[in-house]
Order: sequence, then C-alpha cells, then structure tokens
Amino acid sequence: DVKVTQSSRYLVKRTGEKVFLECVQDMDHENMFWYRQDPGLGLRLIYFSYDVKMKEKGDIPEGYSVSREKKERFSLILESASTNQTSMYLCASSLSGRVQLSGQFFGPGTRLTVL
Amino acid sequence: AQSVTQLGSHVSVSEGALVLLRCNYSSSVPPYLFWYVQYPNQGLQLLLKYTTGATLVKGINGFEAEFKKSETSFHLTKPSAHMSDAAEYFCAVSDVARDYKLSFGAGTTVTVRA
Repeated sequence: DVKVTQSSRYLVKRTGEKVFLECVQDMDHENMFWYRQDPGLGLRLIYFSYDVKMKEKGDIPEGYSVSREKKERFSLILESASTNQTSMYLCASSLSGRVQLSGQFFGPGTRLTVL
Repeated sequence: AQSVTQLGSHVSVSEGALVLLRCNYSSSVPPYLFWYVQYPNQGLQLLLKYTTGATLVKGINGFEAEFKKSETSFHLTKPSAHMSDAAEYFCAVSDVARDYKLSFGAGTTVTVRA
C-alpha cells in the first residue's frame, strides 16, 4: 500500500520560531509537493520538487522554503513563523509524467497553530 | 492557466438521496480532471479521474462523474447517499503540458442527514 507520511499531525509553535515540517513517501516518486489548506480556499501549492535538490515555487511561496536532500523526503521550512501561517499543511507525491494514471498521493496533513 | 470553480461550499442531502456536486473548470488545453475526497482529520484520497476516452468515469464508493467539454464541467454524482459519504470533496484540474501541477477548487462539504 502506497504511503505518504508526515512527521506530526498537530503542531503548536510561537511567532518567530523556525518550524520544520517533514514528509516521507515510500513509492519512489520523483515529484513531491507541499500544499496549504484553508477553509474556503481549497488547496494552494507552496512548493514543488521534481527531483533531489530541485524545487520550484508554487502559488504562495512567500515565507516558506523547502529542502529535498533525498528522493523520499521533502521538508517544508517556516524560517520565522507568523500567525497567518496557522493552517493545515498537506504533502503529496506523484510519478513524473504520470499524474493522469494515479493522480497525486497525499499524506494525512499537519495542523499547525502559530501563537 | 487553469482554474476550478465548485458551486456550493456546503451540500446537505438525506440518506438515500442523490448526491450532486458541481465543478466547472477553465483550461486553455485539454485537461486532466480529478475528484478527491477528504474525510475528517485525513489527507485527500482520489475518487476518480478523467484523462482521455470515455467521458463518463466511475470511481470508488459508487461515485461517478461526466466530462462535458461543451459545458467545461465535471460534476460528481452518487445515486444514493450513505452516512459514510459525509466528507469534503475537491475538484482538481491539470493540463497535459504541466501535468505535475494540480489546481484545486475551494471544496464542497457534504452532510448526510439520517
């Protein structure tokens, strides 16, 4: 069974803290994604990686950075957390050039609260 | 660039009644279309997809959707709602040129009344 796991289901941080969200997939997928989910806005793409050490900005990259040192792991970093980054964060993965076959596979999400 | 509009942020149906969730898209090229479901406190799960070929596609849990190019629509239906269908549903579109990128609608929350 394919799997995308995220390091935490719930996280509470303080304003200004550096926050790391980790995502691991066991499907040998080339593509990995970080989305932010907010009520009434659906999912918005933060960053995308199509290979190790390769990344592209999504629709809302401001205030975020990413790291992909190994194929199976994709990290989202909030350099200095702010209250407007309180949200649900979803990681996903897909095969390169094969989204039409199986779509993207999603992790369970991390609900981040910044106080 | 593509975009997705889901009509109705909340839908309430009685158990056994028809479920109809509306999705319209805009895309400059032939799209791939997806419906995902999100149960409470879980990630998204693929319900069904349209890529090419037959325009009526069947998915898991008795759901189906029809791609209508002339109406730029991809509405999701289920003939008879079950309590377990209570969830949030997302329509998404990608295009063949940049198939890694999905654009999602805002989502529709389905409530099923006993």
